[in-house]
Amino acid sequence: EVQLVESGGGLVPPGGSLRLSCAASGFTFSAYSMNWVRQAPGMGLEWVSYISSGSRTIWYADSVKGRFTVSRGNSKNSLYLQMNSLRAEDTAVYYCARVIVSEGPFYYYHMDVWGKGTTVTVSS
Amino acid sequence: EIVLTQSPGTLSLSPGERATLSCRASQSVSSTYLAWYQQKPDQAPRLLIYGASSRATGIPDRFSGSGSGTDFTLTISRLEPEDFAVYYCQQYGSSPPYSFGQGTKLEIK
Repeated sequence: EVQLVESGGGLVPPGGSLRLSCAASGFTFSAYSMNWVRQAPGMGLEWVSYISSGSRTIWYADSVKGRFTVSRGNSKNSLYLQMNSLRAEDTAVYYCARVIVSEGPFYYYHMDVWGKGTTVTVSS
Repeated sequence: EIVLTQSPGTLSLSPGERATLSCRASQSVSSTYLAWYQQKPDQAPRLLIYGASSRATGIPDRFSGSGSGTDFTLTISRLEPEDFAVYYCQQYGSSPPYSFGQGTKLEIK
């Protein structure tokens, strides 16, 4: 079964740090790009970060640039998000999602598999 | 930055009715870069439609997507009780690479 399982969320004070992990199983993790997407309480979806299969291409949303770092360990089938200088507005459920970059001759970049999410709360 | 605006914000319909959800982009979006997701309370989003009109694996054929350029539509032909949820459109582009619409809540009338 194709599965993504996030972990590492919790309560952290403003200015603190947290490292999220996403464990992948049931597919060849090293062949896929991955995204982090978050959802603040009662709000919509917000894309956070993208990392290509070989880590050559990395993108961040402006709201987290300079504070968050995405990485992956293909030998461990794992995706990571290091979050520093956390703010109250970073409070959200954080999802990892598998990206389909292309199929045949077409490019898509949609997300076909999502984890259940891990909750990050930034509060004193 | 491409902004996606979904309408209506809330749609109240009964099971068996047809639902039409709109997603309008502030600039033209390549059709292959437009996707729709369904999210139920306390669940992760689920991919419904990619490439504007292709159904994802396991998605019933009552779900269909259409559109091009700046106007895209998700249609649910006959609503089932399990279809009441929040729906998001998403585009891939540049600066930032990804954006989502604000969502349409489909509720039971």
